[in-house]
Order: sequence, then structure tokens, then C-alpha cells
Amino acid sequence: SAVISQKPSRDICQRGTSLTIQCQVDSQVTMMFWYRQQPGQSLTLIATANQGSEATYESGFVIDKFPISRPNLTFSTLTVSNMSPEDSSIYLCSVEGVEGSLTDTQYFGPGTRLTVL
Amino acid sequence: TQLLEQSPQFLSIQEGENLTVYCNSSSVFSSLQWYRQEPGEGPVLLVTVVTGGEVKKLKRLTFQFGDARKDSSLHITAAQPGDTGLYLCAGASNTDKLIFGTGTRLQVFP
Repeated sequence: SAVISQKPSRDICQRGTSLTIQCQVDSQVTMMFWYRQQPGQSLTLIATANQGSEATYESGFVIDKFPISRPNLTFSTLTVSNMSPEDSSIYLCSVEGVEGSLTDTQYFGPGTRLTVL
Repeated sequence: TQLLEQSPQFLSIQEGENLTVYCNSSSVFSSLQWYRQEPGEGPVLLVTVVTGGEVKKLKRLTFQFGDARKDSSLHITAAQPGDTGLYLCAGASNTDKLIFGTGTRLQVFP
């Protein structure tokens, strides 16, 4: 498996501001993803973070709202821009391509709980 | 659009009871994963099943992948309070993305 950390673990923000969430893995991985999870609900994929190129966004998510960086094979950031209360959620990063793991197996970070007032 | 429906959505049982969670789709998946998530934590991988008809056991948990690779089940024997959490199935599509199920929230009372 892999050890994945996220910062911050939680935050309370004012509407109109932006928050950048960091995801760090303890080993090089092929793929990194960002998900959103409403409390008690399942996961919705926001985008795939591509190393050295622009992220690939899912339907309903755009780069202007959720800019993503992935400067290397162990680190990625997700920014939630111009926040509104509707952005209150848990944001999770995951990784795939961990050495020794089955193909398609993803491992998740602990999540960032965001509350927008 | 590929969808994974889980049932039941909620389950409250007493310690020692058995239970089964179902994960169904009309789509075929190359593999399927089960996760358990506790409050304030990220999902933790329990198992990955790859072959149609495959059965994997993890202590009191038994996972089965359907013959046609469209569905899966998770059976827990003699549930314990530590089994409490949100159970998520996730199917691997042909686009390198995981399709997550709707989730089953399990509460086991002592």
C-alpha cells in the first residue's frame, strides 16, 4: 500500500475565498485523483491529476473552479476557488499504480473536511 | 453512464448477526474493489476482486465477484461493533477511472 497525507485535515473558510489542499504520497505513483464526498454520501470524481500536464476534469467540474497541480510523481494540490457554502464537503485524494498492488487499485488519503460559511 | 447500486442503503444490526451487502450494475467491470470508511477518515481498501466468480475471504468478511463481472457481494459473519462504517464498492472501468457505488452505511450495536 502507500502512505498518503493531506493538508489541511479540516478548515472553515469564508465565501469568496480560496483554499489549496495538498496531497503527499510516500512513494512514486502513476495516477493521482481528486474526489469530493458529501457527508454520508459516496465519492464523486473531480479530476485526474496528470504529472507535467493539465488535469483531466469530469463533467460538471472546471479548471477555473478547481485548479489542480501535479509537479511530480508524489505530490498534488487541489484549489477550491471562490468558495460558496455549496462547496462544503470532504475532499479526498487517491493514488493508483503503487508498486506491488493490483492494477486499478486506489488508495486514499484521510481527506480534508471543508466548511464554507 | 456506468452506475453501481448498493443495497441496502442503511443497515442496523446487533452484534453477532450476519449480513450481506450487494453491489449491482448493468456494466461489466475489469475489477471491483470494496472499501470501508469510518467517520473522519478516507476509504480503506478491503479487497480487490478480478476474476468472474472469484471468492475472497478476509477473516469474517467474504467477497464474491459475479460470474459476469457486473455485480458483487460482501458478507459479514458475526458482525462486531468495529465493523461499523460506510461500505463502498467501486468498479474499474475501461477508462482508468473507478466508478463508486452508492454506499451502505452499517451500524453494529453491542
